[in-house]
Amino acid sequence: DAKTTQPNSMESNEEEPVHLPCNHSTISGTDYIHWYRQLPSQGPEYVIHGLTSNVNNRMASLAIAEDRKSSTLILHRATLRDAAVYYCILRDPFISSGSARLLTFGSGTQLTVLP
Amino acid sequence: DSGVTQTPKHLITATGQRVTLRCSPRSGDLSVYWYQQSLDQGLQFLIQYYNGEERAKGNILERFSAQQFPDLHSELNLSSLELGDSALYFCASSPPGAGITDTQYFGPGTRLTVL
Repeated sequence: DAKTTQPNSMESNEEEPVHLPCNHSTISGTDYIHWYRQLPSQGPEYVIHGLTSNVNNRMASLAIAEDRKSSTLILHRATLRDAAVYYCILRDPFISSGSARLLTFGSGTQLTVLP
Repeated sequence: DSGVTQTPKHLITATGQRVTLRCSPRSGDLSVYWYQQSLDQGLQFLIQYYNGEERAKGNILERFSAQQFPDLHSELNLSSLELGDSALYFCASSPPGAGITDTQYFGPGTRLTVL
């Protein structure tokens, strides 16, 4: 299974941009990059996903390196509500079965937002 | 609010006992996933059901079982409980034909404490 590597923790100041990195050097050509986050005392929530091109939605942007071996989740203006654990996950939707088709959560990055 | 409901929110029981956790997926979602989150193991996938049929199995113990009913709600049964089963149990659902994205919507979780 392709694995991801994320820093254990990061800090950001409120209302400043945050760049959360993820390394996935063994990514396969059909792996999608998913980001979820888990706010304190809540279940994880979907943030964004992408394959090759950069993606934007109302929550965040996802910048994917040209070689796809790394990606960065960008929160454009961090708020206190963005303090959470952020998970970068690889998923291959074209595999019919097995763990590669599922969401496998690692330890993620604990983001602290300072007021 | 993700639209996924889980009951009960909290459950305290003794070793050796059996409990049932219940999950109602979002309206229209056919897939239900169960996860266990403990402090030392992180978020672990247990099992997935799709429209009543078991679709994928993760690190689910033999003492644990699940099912999805015709109305699509799901139950996770935990028996012969041990202290190490104390954890947060999350249920997630995803819509039919999610295919590439397979975005999962998580419930608020059930906190199980085994004394």
